[in-house]
Amino acid sequence: GEDVEQSLFLSVREGDSSVINCTYTDSSSTYLYWYKQEPGAGLQLLTYIFSNMDMKQDQRLTVLLNKKDKHLSLRIADTQTGDSAIYFCAESFNAGNMLTFGGGTRLMVKP
Amino acid sequence: DAGVTQSPTHLIKTRGQHVTLRCSPISGHKSVSWYQQVLGQGPQFIFQYYEKEERGRGNFPDRFSARQFPNYSSELNVNALLLGDSALYLCASSGTSGRGSYNEQFFGPGTRLTVL
Repeated sequence: GEDVEQSLFLSVREGDSSVINCTYTDSSSTYLYWYKQEPGAGLQLLTYIFSNMDMKQDQRLTVLLNKKDKHLSLRIADTQTGDSAIYFCAESFNAGNMLTFGGGTRLMVKP
Repeated sequence: DAGVTQSPTHLIKTRGQHVTLRCSPISGHKSVSWYQQVLGQGPQFIFQYYEKEERGRGNFPDRFSARQFPNYSSELNVNALLLGDSALYLCASSGTSGRGSYNEQFFGPGTRLTVL
């Protein structure tokens, strides 16, 4: 079955790098996503990666994918207080298809 | 440009009642999906519609139903509400025209449903 797991909490200091990790169990996953959710808000799509890629960089965000270990990570460089939020990873088998989400990682950035 | 919009923002119902939630996708998007997010958890997939047809259904009881209209907006209906239906209901849209690509699902702000 499908299962996406994330650690619950991460605390970093402003200016440091943050690394949020995610593991998934279904090797059929084709697309892997990172979403950000601020309190009381919906989900904001940050970035996504195809399963045939190892890395994707987008400004301060770097996504690394280890298909062998079914491990996905999101690195945020120069973390700011505005990055404090809950981060969800999600997997999907086909473009535009249903997303299976992890439980979310709460990132706290201390000034 | 307008993103995904949902109405109402908040809703309070009592057990046994029914509720209708509404979603308007991003202009040009033909696919709409619904998710339920219980407090402290990740969203769970309920339905996906594309071109007015159901394309996928999650593990939810028959009390949950949805439909998509010719203008691609969508409604989620929940009958015989239970306390456990209290959650944030999120709508997402994707498409090959308009914002993003079909790979990308964009979410609305959600409807917060409280069942008493």
